[in-house]
Amino acid sequence: QKEVEQNSGPLSVPEGAIASLNCTYSDRGSQSFFWYRQYSGKSPELIMSIYSNGDKEDGRFTAQLNKASQYVSLLIRDSQPSDSATYLCAVTPTFSGGYNKLIFGAGTRLAVHP
Amino acid sequence: GAGVSQSPRYKVAKRGQDVALRCDPISGHVSLFWYQQALGQGPEFLTYFQNEAQLDKSGLPSDRFFAERPEGSVSTLKIQRTQQEDSAVYLCASSFDRTHQGTEAFFGQGTRLTVV
Repeated sequence: QKEVEQNSGPLSVPEGAIASLNCTYSDRGSQSFFWYRQYSGKSPELIMSIYSNGDKEDGRFTAQLNKASQYVSLLIRDSQPSDSATYLCAVTPTFSGGYNKLIFGAGTRLAVHP
Repeated sequence: GAGVSQSPRYKVAKRGQDVALRCDPISGHVSLFWYQQALGQGPEFLTYFQNEAQLDKSGLPSDRFFAERPEGSVSTLKIQRTQQEDSAVYLCASSFDRTHQGTEAFFGQGTRLTVV
């Protein structure tokens, strides 16, 4: 079992729709959770971080965390073609030594079509 | 500089050749990470520096991989006797303070290594 699992996609949504990206993790003691966006051939870019159960909203993005279910999700409202990218879920493991060592999932490819 | 700078952007090495990949983090950033990203996969942790101290090298795949950050700024990842399985993008990331929850790690553009 991988430590961080994501559906590889592609997830195809029409422009203006809500895109829902999901991630599960195996380390129950994980405390920090991140969503990175990676365009093809580019470096990962942090778009959301979340540390406590519930929802966190930032513009068109909402991150949701459920530690009991070991589940974190990212919702993108009013999806735009420019949102087409790979979305990487990352968690900090329990014994990370106090630094933000990241364990990444393989990523979900999102395609927003006009 | 304005961001994390990595060089070279692309490197083609013959199998058995040694390579050195450079990372220039954002000025003043304490933490520096190296990750390896294979095609179609997420980045995988290789090693971590806090200033010049290498505190975690648990992700280095073999003793052919060596990293250093002698003055607490620029870091070099060296791979000896490269093998085809070393072909990947090598990403460097830096962040300001290791202990501050939520401190964003900024990634460089990466070095794409192809071993032929």
